[in-house]
Amino acid sequence: DVKVTQSSRYLVKRTGEKVFLECVQDMDHENMFWYRQDPGLGLRLIYFSYDVKMKEKGDIPEGYSVSREKKERFSLILESASTNQTSMYLCASSLRTSGSWNEQFFGPGTRLTVL
Amino acid sequence: LAKTTQPISMDSYEGQEVNITCSHNNIATNDYITWYQQFPSQGPRFIIQGYKTKVTNEVASLFIPADRKSSTLSLPRVSLSDTAVYYCLVGDRPSNSGYALNFGKGTSLLVTP
Repeated sequence: DVKVTQSSRYLVKRTGEKVFLECVQDMDHENMFWYRQDPGLGLRLIYFSYDVKMKEKGDIPEGYSVSREKKERFSLILESASTNQTSMYLCASSLRTSGSWNEQFFGPGTRLTVL
Repeated sequence: LAKTTQPISMDSYEGQEVNITCSHNNIATNDYITWYQQFPSQGPRFIIQGYKTKVTNEVASLFIPADRKSSTLSLPRVSLSDTAVYYCLVGDRPSNSGYALNFGKGTSLLVTP
């Protein structure tokens, strides 16, 4: 059974703190993604990684960075959290093959509140 | 980058067929169309994917006209448990110019008895 886990379901941080969101998948997928989801805006891609140590910017990378040191783990980093980064963060993974984007498997999400 | 437009919400009664249309006028040649379903407090879940004409699986059908500027997700005989948000995604594999992934804002489907 495929599984994507995220380190926390709920997280509360203060403005200016450095925040780490961790995502782990057990499906040996090459691709991993970080999205944020806000009411009325749908899912927006922050960063994407297609291999270890490789990353690509998504629609809204400003204020975020990522790390992929191991194939199964993809971390999202908020260097200095701000209140406008309060959101639901979703991690996903998929196989990398030629042709279309393959099915993405999503984690349960982390609801981050920045005070 | 192909943008998508979906209705914000739809209502249906149990047992009816529901059709949700997504508009993607700027779809590129290599783009596929994928639909996801999301329940509250959960991540989205893959429903179906297609490139052209019609695709059918055990839960839904996807109709794509020849010009590919729109697509329609068809849910046969919906039940209360189909109440969810449905996302249309248009995108292509990564290329030298980067990635191309675009979720729509989703359609909130409410099914009532």
